[in-house]
Amino acid sequence: DIQMTQSPSSLSASVGDRVTITCRASQTISSYLNWYQQRPGKAPKLLIYAASTLQSGVPSRFSGSGSGTDFTLNINSLQPEDFATYYCQQSYSTPFTFGPGTKVDIK
Amino acid sequence: QVTLNESGPVLVKPTETLTLTCTVSGFSLNNPRMGVSWIRQPPGKALEWLAHIFSNDEKSYTTSLKTRLTISKDTSKSQVVLIMTDMDPVDTATYHCARIFKTLAGRFYWFDPWGQGTLVTVSS
Repeated sequence: DIQMTQSPSSLSASVGDRVTITCRASQTISSYLNWYQQRPGKAPKLLIYAASTLQSGVPSRFSGSGSGTDFTLNINSLQPEDFATYYCQQSYSTPFTFGPGTKVDIK
Repeated sequence: QVTLNESGPVLVKPTETLTLTCTVSGFSLNNPRMGVSWIRQPPGKALEWLAHIFSNDEKSYTTSLKTRLTISKDTSKSQVVLIMTDMDPVDTATYHCARIFKTLAGRFYWFDPWGQGTLVTVSS
């Protein structure tokens, strides 16, 4: 199975900050990488698929990059509604696996 | 509008079998580019993909639970059922179903949207 790691596990930031979350796969996964946002008590929401394609309706302050084993989720100008937990997920091969999550909270 | 709704018991006893139903609307289980996945999340922990099923009845299961899981669909009812046998307290989690979307070329898959989830507690 492909293992996914994320760093940091948590971070504190202020509204307006730029935030970067990294995700690493235990083997190369090309661009088969998705990002999800989960607000407390809510279902996860797809933000980015295929490493860098923004899902329809997702604000453009979110962006994704990377390929192979290393990926990045960037949030420009953090907004109050962005305080949440973010998960990466590989779709290169089954079993599909998620990272452990990065919690973004208010500084 | 695409929606998915999970239903099933909120409490099961250890060793019992869990049956969860996902009822979908806004898309067809006959669509070759779409299927349904089950994903769970223990309280305060990360997401874990469990299984998926596509229109052609292609199925896949997570490695660690493969012997305990069965996924099936009833297209006429727009429902996908997940059965998990021999439940244990460590299986306590919120169980989500989600539409899994795949591209025609390549192996790009993603989960969107998700159901709100149903919390299943395993306790005697």
